Amino acid sequence: GEDVEQSLFLSVREGDSSVINCTYTDSSSTYLYWYKQEPGAGLQLLTYIFSNMDMKQDQRLTVLLNKKDKHLSLRIADTQTGDSAIYFCVRRTARQLTFGSGTQLTVLP
Amino acid sequence: GAVVSQHPSRVICKSGTSVKIECRSLDFQATTMFWYRQFPKQSLMLMATSNEGSKATYEQGVEKDKFLINHASLTLSTLTVTSAHPEDSSFYICSAPDDSNEQFFGPGTRLTVL
Repeated sequence: GEDVEQSLFLSVREGDSSVINCTYTDSSSTYLYWYKQEPGAGLQLLTYIFSNMDMKQDQRLTVLLNKKDKHLSLRIADTQTGDSAIYFCVRRTARQLTFGSGTQLTVLP
Repeated sequence: GAVVSQHPSRVICKSGTSVKIECRSLDFQATTMFWYRQFPKQSLMLMATSNEGSKATYEQGVEKDKFLINHASLTLSTLTVTSAHPEDSSFYICSAPDDSNEQFFGPGTRLTVL
């Protein structure tokens, strides 16, 4: 299977929380990142977590890492229409990055 | 954070022509840069690793004669799509790691081949 897997689509109502999930197979990752890509735009680093951490919170964003299950999640609290974008789970080993397929988040009014 | 630029941001060309895309690290030096390709609504696929002063390393399935990479200096890598065809139309993104190995991405180049 794919090295980094994500579900392709997620729809939430404005104001609700969004949870985007990611699983990976290679446990040698040093960092795990979440990138945001808006239509026709480049990549924006949202947040990251070091592989020896379990959780990281940054304003509306919460990243949870379960190393045993090789599962990473990104929670966006109080989701807004401006959060509609594709979110990529990315793992880093040495100097190389491996991207997940991306999750298209649609925020409904 | 560090800044990586790409030029041009958009290019439209005729089939059979060659197109050069530049990737620059603006405030740091990068001995290595990475070139990615992204098809519509798909993930980024690593095409090649550009190494300053030596040959690029291409990922499996990427034609090195089709996608020429030149890492001319510590701040510039170029990707030339030779004899472009419509199937080469895509979004090309470069990235460069700084001294702490954090990757910084360029804004991307949208290539459309008619």
